[in-house]
Amino acid sequence: KNEVEQSPQNLTAQEGEFITINCSYSVGISALHWLQQHPGGGIVSLFMLSSGKKKHGRLIATINIQEKHSSLHITASHPRDSAVYICAVRSLDFGNEKLTFGTGTRLTIIP
Amino acid sequence: NAGVTQTPKFRVLKTGQSMTLLCAQDMNHEYMYWYRQDPGMGLRLIHYSVGEGTTAKGEVPDGYNVSRLKKQNFLLGLESAAPSQTSVYFCASSTSRGYYNEQFFGPGTRLTVL
Repeated sequence: KNEVEQSPQNLTAQEGEFITINCSYSVGISALHWLQQHPGGGIVSLFMLSSGKKKHGRLIATINIQEKHSSLHITASHPRDSAVYICAVRSLDFGNEKLTFGTGTRLTIIP
Repeated sequence: NAGVTQTPKFRVLKTGQSMTLLCAQDMNHEYMYWYRQDPGMGLRLIHYSVGEGTTAKGEVPDGYNVSRLKKQNFLLGLESAAPSQTSVYFCASSTSRGYYNEQFFGPGTRLTVL
C-alpha cells in the first residue's frame, strides 16, 4: 500500500463546478503539500499545511491530522484549472526528513 | 529571476551512453534535489544536496551520480544509461529542509533510453 493515496485518479467536470480532490496518508507527518503540475510539465507549490485550512483565491486546502486526510477544493472551476494535482507528505524516516508524493489526480475542466 | 532551469529539455540516448543533466537556480537556495517521475508513480527522490560541495542519496540513487561544485548548480549524471532510466527528471531547490520549506521545481527533462 502506498504511503500517500489520492482519489480520484482522474476527474472531468464542467466549468463552474465545485471540485474536491482527496489525499489520504498512512504515516505520521509534519506537513502536507499540494502541488500543481501543468499540462506542459511544470510543477508549482500551491499549499503547505500542518493543520486546519488554507485558502488562496479559488483554492482551499484542508487537513485532518487525526484522520490522516487532506482535501483540495476548487470553487468555480475554470478550464485553466486543468492540471495534475499532487499531494505530498513530509515525514521522518529513521531521523531523516522525507517527502513522499502521491501519484496525482488529473483534473480536466470542460468549457 | 529565472528560478530553476534545467538543460536539456529533451534527450534520447542509446543504452550504455552517458550524459549529464544540468540544474541551475538563481534564488541562492541551499538545498537542491533531483527527482524522477514515472507513469503511475509519484515523484521519487534520486539524490539531494544540502549545500555546496555536499550530496546525499535519496530513494532511488542507483545508476546516477551527482555533483554540487557551485551553490547554484546541481548536476545529475548517468554513466551508462539503461532503458529503466527512461523518465522525466525534475530538479528542485529550497531554502531549507525544514518542515515548512517550499520546493521550487524546474520545467523537467524528458529522457528516453533506447
